[in-house]
Amino acid sequence: AQSVTQLDSQVPVFEEAPVELRCNYSSSVSVYLFWYVQYPNQGLQLLLKYLSGSTLVKGINGFEAEFNKSQTSFHLRKPSVHISDTAEYFCAVSAWGGSQGNLIFGKGTKLSVKP
Amino acid sequence: GAVVSQHPSWVICKSGTSVKIECRSLDFQATTMFWYRQFPKQSLMLMATSNEGSKATYEQGVEKDKFLINHASLTLSTLTVTSAHPEDSSFYICSARDIGQGATEAFFGQGTRLTVV
Repeated sequence: AQSVTQLDSQVPVFEEAPVELRCNYSSSVSVYLFWYVQYPNQGLQLLLKYLSGSTLVKGINGFEAEFNKSQTSFHLRKPSVHISDTAEYFCAVSAWGGSQGNLIFGKGTKLSVKP
Repeated sequence: GAVVSQHPSWVICKSGTSVKIECRSLDFQATTMFWYRQFPKQSLMLMATSNEGSKATYEQGVEKDKFLINHASLTLSTLTVTSAHPEDSSFYICSARDIGQGATEAFFGQGTRLTVV
C-alpha cells in the first residue's frame, strides 16, 4: 500500500518569493508521483508528474519538482510565485503496475500568496 | 491534455431524493474511472473504481446501495446518490484514465458540489 504525507497544511508567502511545498511518500513498490492544483470549487489540474528518467521534473506555470528516492520525497518548487498561484496543492502517488491502480492523495497544502 | 466533463457542477436536492452525477471523457476512451469525495478543507478520498462493463469496486466503508455507480460505455460513468441525506453533502470528483496514453495519468472532472437540504 502507498501513503502520502504533505508536511505543511498551509504555506503563506509573499508575491515573487520562492516557495517549496513538501511531499513524502511511502511505498513497497515503484510508484508514479504527481502534483495537482485545485482552485476553489473546481476539480484537479495536473501540474507535473514523475514516471521515470530524470529526477527533476518541470511542469506548468513555472513549477518543478525533484524526485528523491533515498528520501522518498517529491517536493514542489517555484522560484517566484504570483498571486494567481494561491490554491490548494495535492501530492499523489500511484502504483499502476499490473493493477488498475488509483491515486492516493496527501491531505493538501494551501498556498496563500500575499502582495 | 484530455478532457473530462462532469455534470452538474452543483446541485441542491431535498433529503430523501436521489441525485445522478455524470462523468464523461470527451476526447478519449476510459476503461476505468474513479469517484472521489472531498470534505471541506480535506483531501480526496477514493469512493470507488468504475470499470466499463462490469461492477464497480467500492472502497471500505462506502455503501454500495447508497452510491450507485454505472459505467455503461468507455466515455461515461454515473454516480447516483440514492435517498440523499444532509450528511451526503460534499464535493464529488471523478477522474478517468486515458488508455491510449498508457494509463499513466488520470484526468479530473471539475467536480460536483452536492448540497442536501
